Amino acid sequence: SQQGEEDPQALSIQEGENATMNCSYKTSINNLQWYRQNSGRGLVHLILIRSNEREKHSGRLRVTLDTSKKSSSLLITASRAADTASYFCATDSHSWGKLQFGAGTQVVVTP
Amino acid sequence: EPEVTQTPSHQVTQMGQEVILRCVPISNHLYFYWYRQILGQKVEFLVSFYNNEISEKSEIFDDQFSVERPDGSNFTLKIRSTKLEDSAMYFCASSERAGDYNEQFFGPGTRLTVL
Repeated sequence: SQQGEEDPQALSIQEGENATMNCSYKTSINNLQWYRQNSGRGLVHLILIRSNEREKHSGRLRVTLDTSKKSSSLLITASRAADTASYFCATDSHSWGKLQFGAGTQVVVTP
Repeated sequence: EPEVTQTPSHQVTQMGQEVILRCVPISNHLYFYWYRQILGQKVEFLVSFYNNEISEKSEIFDDQFSVERPDGSNFTLKIRSTKLEDSAMYFCASSERAGDYNEQFFGPGTRLTVL
């Protein structure tokens, strides 16, 4: 089954604006993690939110988790050109740490 | 800040050849993983490894694949006889804990090209 589907697929915003992307999943989870990937590069871990948490902040990032709706959102506030990247959610569903990734949201921030 | 490293960054090989991809996980981490990402597609789980054993593997991880932790620092992925469809970016990841706190840190990846 597919887990961790992001929405929208692509997002184009101006510097200074906020960027919001959503992730939906199908099965119960231990935690949900957000990653950033610059084109052709590695995955940078952004934030982990556990199944018993509802909101988490890290710098300009805010992540929410609604386990009743099986969804999460990532908000990037006051975006910068350097935030241009693909953002992925990944779910850990009570297995041996296997993460299941979505297809990602491509974010383009123009100066 | 500690990070996961991978070598080589790019490997080109002929179909049917064996390749070994190397990873050095973060030193105090106990759980190790390999994932791959075919160009333009999702990141896919291959295998997890803990206490010198495979914990879980995906359908992709067939008999052509193997993993090993030959010493206290390296973690390797071997593909015995590469196929064209093995061309992908391979990522190693490690985490300190399992369960709720399974925060996985990824290496920069090895781009494997099979000709």
